[in-house]
Amino acid sequence: AQSVTQLDSQVPVFEEAPVELRCNYSSSVSVYLFWYVQYPNQGLQLLLKYLSGSTLVKGINGFEAEFNKSQTSFHLRKPSVHISDTAEYFCAVSWTGTASKLTFGTGTRLQVTL
Amino acid sequence: GAVVSQHPSRVICKSGTSVKIECRSLDFQATTMFWYRQFPKQSLMLMATSNEGSKATYEQGVEKDKFLINHASLTLSTLTVTSAHPEDSSFYICSAPTRSTQYFGPGTRLTVL
Repeated sequence: AQSVTQLDSQVPVFEEAPVELRCNYSSSVSVYLFWYVQYPNQGLQLLLKYLSGSTLVKGINGFEAEFNKSQTSFHLRKPSVHISDTAEYFCAVSWTGTASKLTFGTGTRLQVTL
Repeated sequence: GAVVSQHPSRVICKSGTSVKIECRSLDFQATTMFWYRQFPKQSLMLMATSNEGSKATYEQGVEKDKFLINHASLTLSTLTVTSAHPEDSSFYICSAPTRSTQYFGPGTRLTVL
């Protein structure tokens, strides 16, 4: 079965430290990959996406992610986090195109403290 | 960038009543929209795909008679929770896709007393 896994439910990190949020997927076909951020009581905001081409994708707010086909991963990274990055982060996959329904991971709560 | 709105943002209703939630794409047309439900501290689960001009497609386990979806135009989809019960309390989020990505609405918090 096709699925998306975010192994870390919570990631605590100090401000200005680097962070990596992990995302793995299972699929035998090509995929489109997304990272979304959700602030409390709000909808989802797109951070970045991988459709094709370069495996290193840069997004908003200083985030980037690398698509690794051999490891079926799409980990999200930021070299230096800020307090304002505290939020829930969701990895999502579409198997049938960018305009198709998304399957979400369970989410990772990034908690940035001083 | 593309914007998707939802109305209302928050609604409280009594058990047994029906609630309608609107999802609008403000600056683009969407022949398809998606409705998700998110329980507290959980991920988004797709409920149904709303199709303009045809019936909605529901995910397994979602009651189509309870969650009525109408895609009235290329910019509007509505979700009506009929005979709502406390277990229907949740955060409902819609999304509308363009050719390159999906845009999400800000969500509607439904509380059924």
